[in-house]
Amino acid sequence: AAGVIQSPRHLIKEKRETATLKCYPIPRHDTVYWYQQGPGQDPQFLISFYEKMQSDKGSIPDRFSAQQFSDYHSELNMSSLELGDSALYFCASIRTANTEAFFGQGTRLTVV
Amino acid sequence: GQQVMQIPQYQHVQEGEDFTTYCNSSTTLSNIQWYKQRPGGHPVFLIQLVKSGEVKKQKRLTFQFGEAKKNSSLHITATQTTDVGTYFCAGNSNSGYALNFGKGTSLLVTP
Repeated sequence: AAGVIQSPRHLIKEKRETATLKCYPIPRHDTVYWYQQGPGQDPQFLISFYEKMQSDKGSIPDRFSAQQFSDYHSELNMSSLELGDSALYFCASIRTANTEAFFGQGTRLTVV
Repeated sequence: GQQVMQIPQYQHVQEGEDFTTYCNSSTTLSNIQWYKQRPGGHPVFLIQLVKSGEVKKQKRLTFQFGEAKKNSSLHITATQTTDVGTYFCAGNSNSGYALNFGKGTSLLVTP
């Protein structure tokens, strides 16, 4: 069965650079979530999209933006990267509201 | 905003001992979900509870949802080394779109 696909799996960037993370949700899932997880931390909700429209916003810095495209894939754009942005970034999708979330393998971002 | 608290933060048990993690929300939840994350892995859905006072079992795992729908627990009977990981509870925000995770309980099981 198809799962949530994230790319790249690993990314190394320098401070002040930009990064783009991609997420391909499970087909026919109507909601996409983005999370940031630091070492030993819980996944922090960043932003969500329902049917390609932003549906909720969490602790996402202003330097970050995200969108969902017509084919339902989503991208998280991160600019002016800081050392503290180093983390695991997960994308998850759900088929419909209040159902289980399926997580991708994550993108490990390292800012040096 | 909604806060989901989880205790304990860590638990180290001997194989065969029981384990319980507790989750408390500052607001009433429409439902609560539980996830397990193995070291180096991604969160994997375990179960969802919807009804007040609901109890569900999955083999050695027992999940409960409080009567007020503000708290929940996960109990593992006779832990095994394969139970190692971090267990998160998660609840939907008031908008219904955000899924907010608790801090998680990291379980370590030694043989």
